[in-house]
Amino acid sequence: EIVMTQSPATLCVSPGERATLSCRASQSVSSNLAWYQQKPGQAPRLLICGASIRATGIPARFSGSGSGTEFTLTISSLQSEDFAVYYCQQYNIWPFTFGGGTKVEIK
Amino acid sequence: QVQLQESGPGLVKPSETLSLTCSVSGGSISSYYWSWIRQSPGKGLEWIGYIYYSGSTNYNPSLKSRVTMSVDMSKNQFSLRVNSVTAADTAVYYCARTGVAGIIGWFDPWGQGFLVTVSS
Repeated sequence: EIVMTQSPATLCVSPGERATLSCRASQSVSSNLAWYQQKPGQAPRLLICGASIRATGIPARFSGSGSGTEFTLTISSLQSEDFAVYYCQQYNIWPFTFGGGTKVEIK
Repeated sequence: QVQLQESGPGLVKPSETLSLTCSVSGGSISSYYWSWIRQSPGKGLEWIGYIYYSGSTNYNPSLKSRVTMSVDMSKNQFSLRVNSVTAADTAVYYCARTGVAGIIGWFDPWGQGFLVTVSS
């Protein structure tokens, strides 16, 4: 199966600053990559699919990029509601697999 | 808008069968793929498998020998069964929509999640 590795495990950022999260696949997943946000006690919420396509209702401050094995989720100006755990997920090859997550904390 | 809700027993004894149902409201189960995903502290998020509204399935090889999924169009529900459970199956179980024919893979929306504990 494809192993998804996210870095860093924890990212400390001040409100209003930019956050850059990385996701690496153990083999190419083309652009078949999604990003999710999860807050405590809640289900994950889809942010990005197709590596760079924002899901319905997702603010423009969230952007995704990359293809193949290297992907990035950028939050251009962190708002208070953005402090959460972020996961990447590949859907290029079964079984679908998730990264271990990056926790974005308030600095 | 489509909403999903998991239900079932929250406590299952070791070696017994875990059974969960996902009820879909605000839209039809027809034409879509539907997945089960679980989340545990030790293994993070793990895709269990998906079922198409027609009944065809695709399971994660890591669980394939113990998993069965089914769909009930009349009730707009789909279900998960995991047999021979152990403590390692303790997790929050989510159901989620996974896509339509030809476009599958991401999960949206998700149910709120349901904690299943395996313990005697």
